[in-house]
Amino acid sequence: EVQLVESGGGLVKPGRSLTLSCTASGFTIRDYAMSWFRQAPGKGLEWVGSIRAKAYGGTTEYAASVKDRVVISRDDSKSVAYLQMNFLKTEDTALFYCTRDHGDANHFDSWGQGTLVSVSS
Amino acid sequence: DIQMTQSPSSVSASVGDRVTITCRASQAIINWLAWYQQKPGKAPKVLIYAASTLQGGVPSRFSGSGSGTDFTLTISSLQPEDFATYYCQQGYSFPRTFGQGTKVEVK
Repeated sequence: EVQLVESGGGLVKPGRSLTLSCTASGFTIRDYAMSWFRQAPGKGLEWVGSIRAKAYGGTTEYAASVKDRVVISRDDSKSVAYLQMNFLKTEDTALFYCTRDHGDANHFDSWGQGTLVSVSS
Repeated sequence: DIQMTQSPSSVSASVGDRVTITCRASQAIINWLAWYQQKPGKAPKVLIYAASTLQGGVPSRFSGSGSGTDFTLTISSLQPEDFATYYCQQGYSFPRTFGQGTKVEVK
């Protein structure tokens, strides 16, 4: 069974950094692109960024709204994808999801349960 | 960026009703369109991808159609477990973008 478990969320002050982890099981993570999304309270889904499989260069794509502040990486040996967020703002408060991607992040066929990031002083 | 516009924003329906949700892309995306269902407190779940391909395990009462800029999600006979919010998403170009969501509510 495909399973994705996000961790690393919590309460953080504005301007600080945070790294989220997405631990995968039930499939071989190196064969897939992985993505991160966020959903602010009561709002819709927002794509944050994606990382391709190493076979496709392991390159990344980011949303313009976060591009200068986030880094997505992966450690296939540990079956983990990461989202590092820097210079956090109050408007970054959201539930963050990771996904297993179909193709070049064309659609997202498995989602974790999410980890909550609250940015507040 | 490609803008995705769903309509309606909400729909009130009864069990057994046929429900149709539309999604319009600001430019042609061929058939790179997926539909997701999200229930309160839960992660989204993909229902349909490539505009009309049913994800494994999804009931056949869900169907998708369209190409280019105009797409439709249809629930042929609404079931109690289908009350949720539905999102469309384009997978044609980066950044990946979603519609604003359509909430299917109890009438």
